[in-house]
Amino acid sequence: EPEVTQTPSHQVTQMGQEVILRCVPISNHLYFYWYRQILGQKVEFLVSFYNNEISEKSEIFDDQFSVERPDGSNFTLKIRSTKLEDSAMYFCASSQGNDYGYTFGSGTRLTVV
Amino acid sequence: GQNIDQPTEMTATEGAIVQINCTYQTSGFNGLFWYQQHAGEAPTFLSYNVLDGLEEKGRFSSFLSRSKGYSYLLLKELQMKDSASYLCAVSLTGFQKLVFGTGTRLLVSP
Repeated sequence: EPEVTQTPSHQVTQMGQEVILRCVPISNHLYFYWYRQILGQKVEFLVSFYNNEISEKSEIFDDQFSVERPDGSNFTLKIRSTKLEDSAMYFCASSQGNDYGYTFGSGTRLTVV
Repeated sequence: GQNIDQPTEMTATEGAIVQINCTYQTSGFNGLFWYQQHAGEAPTFLSYNVLDGLEEKGRFSSFLSRSKGYSYLLLKELQMKDSASYLCAVSLTGFQKLVFGTGTRLLVSP
């Protein structure tokens, strides 16, 4: 069964450093997403991406965040200057559209120290 | 704002049936998803309801009432491996995103 792959599985970084989280969505999917889940809390939407541009973003997705699809397969989330409160599990997901269900990757656990 | 409510925690016994409820108040509604999430892992898709009624898929069934803003996930013949969090998520009209509830942690005991 096709899957969404994320790397790394765990990243520890110092406050103020830049991090890039990487994702390879399912190849025939058109929509790509980043969600995050702070430990013990609900899954929160960050950003959706379609046709090589951001289609929607949440209030969480401020100027410190950016997304990119640098080639035909990778989809990245960059956090420019990490804060302690950015510590969370970050999930990448892809879909063929809202009605088709989202496939989530296994997540990157980001720990900011 | 978007409001999706689920019970925080439920317990049940192996072999039993459990129903996990979800109520929602959202600006626009396209459909409702149920996901299973084991601790430290990604959510995995269980079901998607767009129209009112019951969708059955093996041991799992999901029900939707759009007029009442209500859904439930029914798990039959519970197994120990069903111990997990169950996430209710609403897909909003015109938006490419899901809004999640806080999840219901289900503990299945022998």
